[in-house]
Amino acid sequence: EIVLTQSPGTLSLSPGERATLSCRASQSVSSSYLAWYQQKPGQAPRLLIYGASSRATGIPDRFSGSGSGTDFTLTISRLEPEDFAVYYCQQFGSSPPWTFGQGTNVEI
Amino acid sequence: QVQLVESGGGVVQPGRSLRLSCAASGFIFSNYGMHWVRQAPGKGPEWVAFIWSDATDYVDSVKGRFTISRDNFKNTLYLQMNSLRAEDTAVYYCARGPTGRLDVWGQGTTVTVSS
Repeated sequence: EIVLTQSPGTLSLSPGERATLSCRASQSVSSSYLAWYQQKPGQAPRLLIYGASSRATGIPDRFSGSGSGTDFTLTISRLEPEDFAVYYCQQFGSSPPWTFGQGTNVEI
Repeated sequence: QVQLVESGGGVVQPGRSLRLSCAASGFIFSNYGMHWVRQAPGKGPEWVAFIWSDATDYVDSVKGRFTISRDNFKNTLYLQMNSLRAEDTAVYYCARGPTGRLDVWGQGTTVTVSS
């Protein structure tokens, strides 16, 4: 099973600042199979990034993803008030289980 | 528009069964792999099961107890959950799964396993 470790656990920032979130895998993951999600309280997760760097439909360009192998990054270039939420990475490696990271809480 | 709507959650005693449903609309259901993902209170999401054509996969903790299935004529995904345990308590989401991502999620249905 591939374990995804996200850091930091909590990121305290202000609107307008840049957020950098890390996702590290216990073994190499194909870039095609690394996704990022945003979740707000009481809502389902929402797909932000897939294939490590491709934005999902309707996602603003202030969200970007990068990385390969075991190290992946989600960057929010300028935080908007609606971006304060929990962010999860997920891998779709060669075989299940297709695990999630434990999440990073981006708070004001 | 593309939509997934779960139903069937509730409060159930340990050892009992429950069947969740997920009604899909706005897309060609039979063209997509589908997943169940759950989220225990205060925890992150956990992938539970996947179905594509006749192929299925499960997380180890539910193997032998849960069964994922689909009816492409009714555009509906199911999760039959047997021998439920307290640790199965969670919000259960269905999600559409093109390769490498879960791009559409339902609103979730809550399952509480308690005596």
